[in-house]
Amino acid sequence: DAGITQSPRHKVTETGTPVTLRCHQTENHRYMYWYRQDPGHGLRLIHYSYGVKDTDKGEVSDGYSVSRSKTEDFLLTLESATSSQTSVYFCATQGRGNTGELFFGEGSRLTVL
Amino acid sequence: AQKITQTQPGMFVQEKEAVTLDCTYDTSDQSYGLFWYKQPSSGEMIFLIYQGSYDEQNATEGRYSLNFQKARKSANLVISASQLGDSAMYFCAMREGEGGDYKLSFGAGTTVTVRA
Repeated sequence: DAGITQSPRHKVTETGTPVTLRCHQTENHRYMYWYRQDPGHGLRLIHYSYGVKDTDKGEVSDGYSVSRSKTEDFLLTLESATSSQTSVYFCATQGRGNTGELFFGEGSRLTVL
Repeated sequence: AQKITQTQPGMFVQEKEAVTLDCTYDTSDQSYGLFWYKQPSSGEMIFLIYQGSYDEQNATEGRYSLNFQKARKSANLVISASQLGDSAMYFCAMREGEGGDYKLSFGAGTTVTVRA
């Protein structure tokens, strides 16, 4: 497995506060992804990275920023959290197979009150 | 437009029976890949099976098979001999093109409940 650790796993915060979620991988993969999961929408791509300091927007990037200063770490920041950002956030990297599947972390549940 | 459509929000299946989960996709690319993931109640995402657009044979992995109908743009998952542990949400996903960025688009998911 790709070896992904997400932190924190659970967080409750208030509207307007900044929040940073961390994704750490141990397999030296080039590509890393942040998705959010919401009922009725499946998983939607927020941002992804294709190398250190190389990032790009996904489908639902508004209100989020990312940074990747090291290969192993990919940070997702909500500058000013809103209730609509209450969700489960998944980090992913390339899986080990040759099919291009993604390997996901365990998820971070964020509640914005 | 939705790239992946899963029209069945929830399904019930009797233990030991087969169940088919529907997935249709929309892409103009000739090269693409289709994936199915399982998400049990514990929340982790588990990769199940993959079908490439150029693969002539339907993919199979143990009790999972993918019924790939290219002309109809469908990639249905068939779970044979259902077990109680198959109760989970199932997501269909697609990767478009031949680029190396591995981005996947997901459907809304189908919840499967296996009854004893």
